[in-house]
Amino acid sequence: NAGVTQTPKFQVLKTGQSMTLQCAQDMNHEYMSWYRQDPGMGLRLIHYSVGAGITDQGEVPNGYNVSRSTTEDFPLRLLSAAPSQTSVYFCASSYGWSSTGANVLTFGAGSRLTVL
Amino acid sequence: GQQLNQSPQSMFIQKGEDVSMNCTSSSIFNTWLWYKQDPGEGPVLLIALYKAGELTSNGRLTAQFGITRKDSFLNISASIPSDVGIYFCAGLNDYGGSQGNLIFGKGTKLSVKP
Repeated sequence: NAGVTQTPKFQVLKTGQSMTLQCAQDMNHEYMSWYRQDPGMGLRLIHYSVGAGITDQGEVPNGYNVSRSTTEDFPLRLLSAAPSQTSVYFCASSYGWSSTGANVLTFGAGSRLTVL
Repeated sequence: GQQLNQSPQSMFIQKGEDVSMNCTSSSIFNTWLWYKQDPGEGPVLLIALYKAGELTSNGRLTAQFGITRKDSFLNISASIPSDVGIYFCAGLNDYGGSQGNLIFGKGTKLSVKP
C-alpha cells in the first residue's frame, strides 16, 4: 500500500515551459486535491476533485489545470510556467467528507518546483 | 473567505519543555485536525477532533476542540529533539454534509534552542 505517490520530486523549469505533476493514490479515495506551500503562507488549495470526472477550483487556481479521468490519478498541469509558481506542491487524498471522520487528508511527499 | 490564525509562528524548544500552540478563526468549524511536517516530507496527521469540547491525546500530544467551535489548541509535553518541524492546524466546515475543503493555518515552526 503506497499511499499517495507524487512525481517528480524535484523539477526546474524555464519561464513559459509546460509540465505535469503526477499524483496517484492506491487507497480508493474519492477526494483528491493539490496544495502549494510557500514560506509563511501555509498550505493553499489549488484544485480539488470529489470523484472521477469532477474537478473544482480552490483558493489559488490561476495558472493550473487539472483533470480526473480515474479514481487513482489526479495530475496537475502548468501550461506556461511563471516564476511565481516556484513552490512545493502537495497532493492529498481522503475518502471524502462526512461526520465519521472520512475527511482526514493523506499527503504525498511533495514536488519541489523551481521556475527560472 | 474562512481564515485560520495560528500562533505562535515559531518557537524554540529545549528538551523536556512543554509546548503550546493554538488556532483561532472567526468562522465555526465542525472538524479540527493537527498535522506535523518534517523537512522534505508531506504533512502527517497527529490528532483529529470532531466534537466541540473534545480533548484527545496521542502520546505526549494533547489537542482540544474549543467549545465555541472557533478555536483549537495543541500541547506537546516533555518535548524531545524529534518534535522539531512545522505544525499545522486545519479546520473544516462541511455545512451539514455538503462538500467542504480543509482550511490550513500558516503553521508553527518548532526549532531546537541554540
